[in-house]
Amino acid sequence: GQNIDQPTEMTATEGAIVQINCTYQTSGFNGLFWYQQHAGEAPTFLSYNVLDGLEEKGRFSSFLSRSKGYSYLLLKELQMKDSASYLCAALDSNYQLIWGAGTKLIIKP
Amino acid sequence: IAGITQAPTSQILAAGRRMTLRCTQDMRHNAMYWYRQDLGLGLRLIHYSNTAGTTGKGEVPDGYSVSRANTDDFPLTLASAVPSQTSVYFCASSEAGGSTDTQYFGPGTRLTVL
Repeated sequence: GQNIDQPTEMTATEGAIVQINCTYQTSGFNGLFWYQQHAGEAPTFLSYNVLDGLEEKGRFSSFLSRSKGYSYLLLKELQMKDSASYLCAALDSNYQLIWGAGTKLIIKP
Repeated sequence: IAGITQAPTSQILAAGRRMTLRCTQDMRHNAMYWYRQDLGLGLRLIHYSNTAGTTGKGEVPDGYSVSRANTDDFPLTLASAVPSQTSVYFCASSEAGGSTDTQYFGPGTRLTVL
């Protein structure tokens, strides 16, 4: 079956760095998305990786290893507004997104 | 530009009633999607449409129907609501279906079936 695994909850301190991991098993693979979702709001796009390696976008970076079925989202210089859930989603061979349950990130001052 | 709008924002519904959730986008995207989001589970695809006039079933289509009469609108209908359909429903769109295009989400409809 198809499966996405990510930690349920993480806690970090304002100003610090946090890495949110995601492992995936899908039938075929056409890329890996990360979305941010604040409580009570819609998911919003953060990043898309299809090639191995690290892609940096400001304070946020996303890494992909296709051979390991693994991705991570790296958040630097954490701010209180980064408190949210982070959703990992893999695009399967039919170009349908398979979603993880999300990682709730709690930022403490 | 509004992006994607959904209505209603929230609704409490008696079991057995019929309900239509509305979704409209103004980005002229070809593809549209309906997801449900439940605590502890990832977003699950209910139905999708890659272009006006076509629809397809997602992971959890039972009890739901959709139509896509034009590019902008993609309503989701629950013919006879059941308590297990209590959830938050998100509509999304992307430029093209069956592609790597980013999906953009509406604000969601919180539905409670009693």
